[in-house]
Amino acid sequence: GESVGLHLPTLSVQEGDNSIINCAYSNSASDYFIWYKQESGKGPQFIIDIRSNMDKRQGQRVTVLLNKTVKHLSLQIAATQPGDSAVYFCAETGNTDKLIFGTGTRLQVFP
Amino acid sequence: SQTIHQWPATLVQPVGSPLSLECTVEGTSNPNLYWYRQAAGRGLQLLFYSVGIGQISSEVPQNLSASRPQDRQFILSSKKLLLSDSGFYLCAWSEDGTTEAFFGQGTRLTVV
Repeated sequence: GESVGLHLPTLSVQEGDNSIINCAYSNSASDYFIWYKQESGKGPQFIIDIRSNMDKRQGQRVTVLLNKTVKHLSLQIAATQPGDSAVYFCAETGNTDKLIFGTGTRLQVFP
Repeated sequence: SQTIHQWPATLVQPVGSPLSLECTVEGTSNPNLYWYRQAAGRGLQLLFYSVGIGQISSEVPQNLSASRPQDRQFILSSKKLLLSDSGFYLCAWSEDGTTEAFFGQGTRLTVV
């Protein structure tokens, strides 16, 4: 569900390391999940998506894992770069036309 | 290709003044349209969404309203702004409720 009132948690990683960002969703009827990246002062940008009939999907340097049993979603970024620094949001949608965002995570990459 | 336009980029308005933010989409037809608000350092709150002309669903009761006078136009309005209306407003569209949404660049509203 929405956690829009909470301050964003922060994940700090060293350049070159792998990053794992987690997200819990609440609606068991959700069947489509998206990860977005938001840079300061800009709108969110699509990174990768996954449907509920899959448990893993890979893109370029990113992997999304879906565990429907515990309603958990994760985004893995390989070889994290300074340009990956941003806020990352998961979003879910099902059969209601609503796209609901989860609590974001601020990723900070240090040299 | 599809594009989404949202304006203005920044807006400073006095308390009690009206508001009108406009969002238009090009290159698609009958999109789902969304308005979100984001407080500084926080998540995205869904305010309104629309699946067709004249069809508006409100998620949070508040001082704002939305309208969709044309297929690819979505307007966020207020008759009298409150200080608590300050925030970053984002418009988005998707082909339907089962695909990714694409966002505009946002409007930063400061109510003074």
